[in-house]
Amino acid sequence: LLVQSGGGVVQPGESLTLSCEASGFVFATYGAHWVRQVPGKGLEWVSFIYHDGSYKYYSDSVKGRFTVSRDSSKNTVYLEMNNLRAEDTAMYYCAKETLARRVYYGGGTDLWGQGTLVSVSS
Amino acid sequence: IVLTQSPDTLSLSPGDRANLSCRATQSLSSVRLAWYQQRPGQPPRLLIYGATNRATGTPNRFTGSGSGPDFTLTISRLEPEDFAVYYCQLYGSFWTFGQGTELEIK
Repeated sequence: LLVQSGGGVVQPGESLTLSCEASGFVFATYGAHWVRQVPGKGLEWVSFIYHDGSYKYYSDSVKGRFTVSRDSSKNTVYLEMNNLRAEDTAMYYCAKETLARRVYYGGGTDLWGQGTLVSVSS
Repeated sequence: IVLTQSPDTLSLSPGDRANLSCRATQSLSSVRLAWYQQRPGQPPRLLIYGATNRATGTPNRFTGSGSGPDFTLTISRLEPEDFAVYYCQLYGSFWTFGQGTELEIK
């Protein structure tokens, strides 16, 4: 199970940190992604962190403003979002890769959090 | 790489066969292609990874096929719960989703 927290309403330029806590498995064995979705629209990949935290990737739209991290002791992955913009408004999902330790490039994402809504508005 | 799904909307009846297409702008390894189903108000659900491998719990009526750049998700006999939005995804060292195909009841 992945349980997300940390969403909310903020003003442009403000910051927010999302959390994604895993239970029932060792999250540090799997890569983790953040994906967002504007209500009524499609899925947009946001960020990825390796199972061991050694590599991190970001979409061009968030690079330099968002930071992904993980704490294996808490079985949790985070997304720190700074300098938020109106266009960052979306439902944010965390997701776990299907295959451990990036075997076969991770095999997509087989477990998703419930989503947390981020709204950026003045 | 851009993934383009077709059609945008597919109108079929329960019991019909559905073929959903996903085309990449360049050839890619089939090991890196996944399909997801998303029902309203729910997160996406992984159906197929590696282009052809059913994820745990995916019914046998869902079949993935194809190789770069053209991939297909076939639902052999539509059940009422299959009417949803479907996304293909490229993953690996670059991640992107197709725009989605809405499968609606005719």
